Amino acid sequence: DSGVTQTPKHLITATGQRVTLRCSPRSGDLSVYWYQQSLDQGLQFLIQYYNGEERAKGNILERFSAQQFPDLHSELNLSSLELGDSALYFCASSFDLSGNTIYFGEGSWLTVV
Amino acid sequence: DQQVKQNSPSLSVQEGRISILNCDYTNSMFDYFLWYKKYPAEGPTFLISISSIKDKNEDGRFTVFLNKSAKHLSLHIVPSQPGDSAVYFCAASGGAGGTSYGKLTFGQGTILTVHP
Repeated sequence: DSGVTQTPKHLITATGQRVTLRCSPRSGDLSVYWYQQSLDQGLQFLIQYYNGEERAKGNILERFSAQQFPDLHSELNLSSLELGDSALYFCASSFDLSGNTIYFGEGSWLTVV
Repeated sequence: DQQVKQNSPSLSVQEGRISILNCDYTNSMFDYFLWYKKYPAEGPTFLISISSIKDKNEDGRFTVFLNKSAKHLSLHIVPSQPGDSAVYFCAASGGAGGTSYGKLTFGQGTILTVHP
């Protein structure tokens, strides 16, 4: 158990819909990351927040957005969903910005039908 | 453009022998490298890391070697155990004045199978 909690574990939704994935980082960790793992792209970095502020952005689609709240939990919002958005979405956390040790949650499986 | 490559999709090893997993990178700005292990339906688990100022880092049965000139790193597991069977990902970070730390670029993974 990494200490990073993600909900929901599984989600099935229709194209065009919007979903929110939630992440609670490990106790004491200030930095939260979101990654997407799809069959053809592997693990891809989406976005990083540190203490409530966006710090780094990867190949995150404009239809996707994220935020980190004062209690340090984070949400990833996916809208206008397409079939290709079906993937495993991981949240990860670390204490600081260094990224020296990043702990991953178990992921949220999103299936878009 | 795949900046981190794990060219072997799979590796099969006998219990007790050495497992060597390889990883190549192309971005010379990377200066921190990590190995993760992943079981099905679980998130990646951090194993070991190495900074570019070192060429070797050991932690128990796991040793990571870094060859900066060749832009190559490897993970050695000695002795291999059946419980080591999993997907192993290498990842890299760094560059851009430190603002890219935490933005890990992952390889595609190598499936390691350790036979009893």
